[in-house]
Amino acid sequence: QQPVQSPQAVILREGEDAVINCSSSKALYSVHWYRQKHGEAPVFLMILLKGGEQKGHDKISASFNEKKQQSSLYLTASQLSYSGTYFCGSRKTGANSKLTFGKGITLSVRP
Amino acid sequence: DTGVSQNPRHKITKRGQNVTFRCDPISEHNRLYWYRQTLGQGPEFLTYFQNEAQLEKSRLLSDRFSAERPKGSFSTLEIQRTEQGDSAMYLCASSSPPASGGLNTGELFFGEGSRLTVL
Repeated sequence: QQPVQSPQAVILREGEDAVINCSSSKALYSVHWYRQKHGEAPVFLMILLKGGEQKGHDKISASFNEKKQQSSLYLTASQLSYSGTYFCGSRKTGANSKLTFGKGITLSVRP
Repeated sequence: DTGVSQNPRHKITKRGQNVTFRCDPISEHNRLYWYRQTLGQGPEFLTYFQNEAQLEKSRLLSDRFSAERPKGSFSTLEIQRTEQGDSAMYLCASSSPPASGGLNTGELFFGEGSRLTVL
């Protein structure tokens, strides 16, 4: 089942903060976050594992609320380079299960 | 270049023709994934391999789609009797299995994709 992402789009000015969310109706093993720029392949940002372990990006943080089955990605002091579409992906049953992506959130950072 | 390589990058075909895409993963990665992406949507899971074994295939995938990874290295995705609805970007990604406690996150490394247009 596809994770649900919100909001659908975010427009920011450089230096502002943003939070984007990813939720699932079923229990999750892990959540991945990827960013895709127009015409390019998705690039890994962050993974959050059941139990709270977190690995990934230095300048972007995220949280995983196991009770709510929701992950949030925090973009602070946004830069122009943060513009793109952010996808969350989820594994449900373990490290060997497939990674299913949400529809994505478009983030635009303006000068 | 040691990244994931996909060929061809673009393919235009007529409805009813067969097409084949190739993916060369990062050499030490034993997992290989195929996704399909249309405009404004996230990557849609098609299938994935661990070594040469096809571990899972999407129920949404019709019998016209088949994927192979015969020697556990490169993979091919074939679409038979193409339809206009097959027009999309076909993405390949590779990874190594995630290892707890280590640096390996099980992240997917994506190729640039193969864009299919069915006329």
